[in-house]
Amino acid sequence: DADVTQTPRNRITKTGKRIMLECSQTKGHDRMYWYRQDPGLGLQLIYYSFDVKDINKGEISDGYSVSRQAQAKFSLSLESAIPNQTALYFCATSDLRYRGNQPQHFGDGTRLSIL
Amino acid sequence: GENVEQHPSTLSVQEGDSAVIKCTYSDSASNYFPWYKQELGKRPQLIIDIRSNVGEKKDQRIAVTLNKTAKHFSLHITETQPEDSAVYFCAAVPTSGQKLVFGTGTRLLVSP
Repeated sequence: DADVTQTPRNRITKTGKRIMLECSQTKGHDRMYWYRQDPGLGLQLIYYSFDVKDINKGEISDGYSVSRQAQAKFSLSLESAIPNQTALYFCATSDLRYRGNQPQHFGDGTRLSIL
Repeated sequence: GENVEQHPSTLSVQEGDSAVIKCTYSDSASNYFPWYKQELGKRPQLIIDIRSNVGEKKDQRIAVTLNKTAKHFSLHITETQPEDSAVYFCAAVPTSGQKLVFGTGTRLLVSP
């Protein structure tokens, strides 16, 4: 589903570096989410946003920040990356009118490795 | 908060057999239960969902059942095919904060 685009797809960086993961969508959905996936742990919610002026913390927001620059863009930042933030990161969107606040469409993911 | 447990963690079946994946949840007020399929190296995809006012929902070869009293819900796949091989995640929406809580996933392998 190319309507949700994540960049970069892969990133290797060093401890202490600042990293930004970007997500853009062409679906016109109001709601956007950032999830982290670790092997055997399923998907954990980092942050979510119900519109441009709304930002909410998820289960594991410590060490992360987000910015909703526009309805179509939601970026995730790691201010000072640490190795245990190595994971697969997914952006997702949902349509309030149909699925309410639940993620429907996921991006292809960003595989982040922190050395 | 809400806790979702999913079993089994891996499931191997022969092509044509049925597969059942079970989840339990802790918040009795949870009201929405989606299932996602994630093929290897790909994004999760919503495949079916059920709301708390419905006991069963079907979509071709897949079905989901919900037992609110026992606080568990299950995914049923009939006539499995090799392309059903993937990791399946259940999830539940707790009343607090409207945040979806995922199970830990079931790796389904369908052998020809």
